[in-house]
Amino acid sequence: SYELTQPPSVSVSPGQTARITCSGDALPKKYPFWYQQKSGQAPVLVIYEDTKRPSGIPERFSGSSSGTMATLTISGAQVGDEADYYCFSADSSGHHWVFGGGTKLTVL
Amino acid sequence: EVQLVESGGGLVKSGGSLRLSCAASGFTFSNTWMNWVRQAPGKGLEWVGRSKSKTDGGTADYAVPLKGRFTISRDDSKNTLYLQMNSLKTEDTGLYYCTTHGVPAVWGQGTLVTVSS
Repeated sequence: SYELTQPPSVSVSPGQTARITCSGDALPKKYPFWYQQKSGQAPVLVIYEDTKRPSGIPERFSGSSSGTMATLTISGAQVGDEADYYCFSADSSGHHWVFGGGTKLTVL
Repeated sequence: EVQLVESGGGLVKSGGSLRLSCAASGFTFSNTWMNWVRQAPGKGLEWVGRSKSKTDGGTADYAVPLKGRFTISRDDSKNTLYLQMNSLKTEDTGLYYCTTHGVPAVWGQGTLVTVSS
């Protein structure tokens, strides 16, 4: 079955730029969504359809993609951005969706 | 207020069945595609399946490993989404969320399912 691959962890210092990648064969045709999940909380959508930001999400969160890889970029990462981040997208048929394994972002 | 409230979780023995419900409010449920997502303790998110709105066909899609045991349905007159789970296994233990598909992205707080051996 279809898989999305993310690095298990990313670590940056406060104020630096964090980049979290997600690779999948169908990404050139199926836009990813990106979710942030803080400990003990339900996930929150931070990027949808590859590059769009829901209302209320800070501008420091952005999305991009190139070929089979999508990237979530957090510019000027803050300690409050520490969370698990998941990409979410569909296989080429569009009928089956999957989450990436998740990336734990540490800001310290 | 836009809200999703899951219910129906609990403790069940392996091989048993459970039906989860998700009550929606604050938005036009009948026009909204809906997902079920689960999370095993200490693990990542796993997509369970999706229900399309009736105007878009009303069909459901499932994660390949779960198809045949899980069934998603909806009652638009009650603004409620359901997840029927049969032949439960210990690995089905986790927090089950319902969520809107796309934007605005709305998530419930989840309902806990525990499958014992």
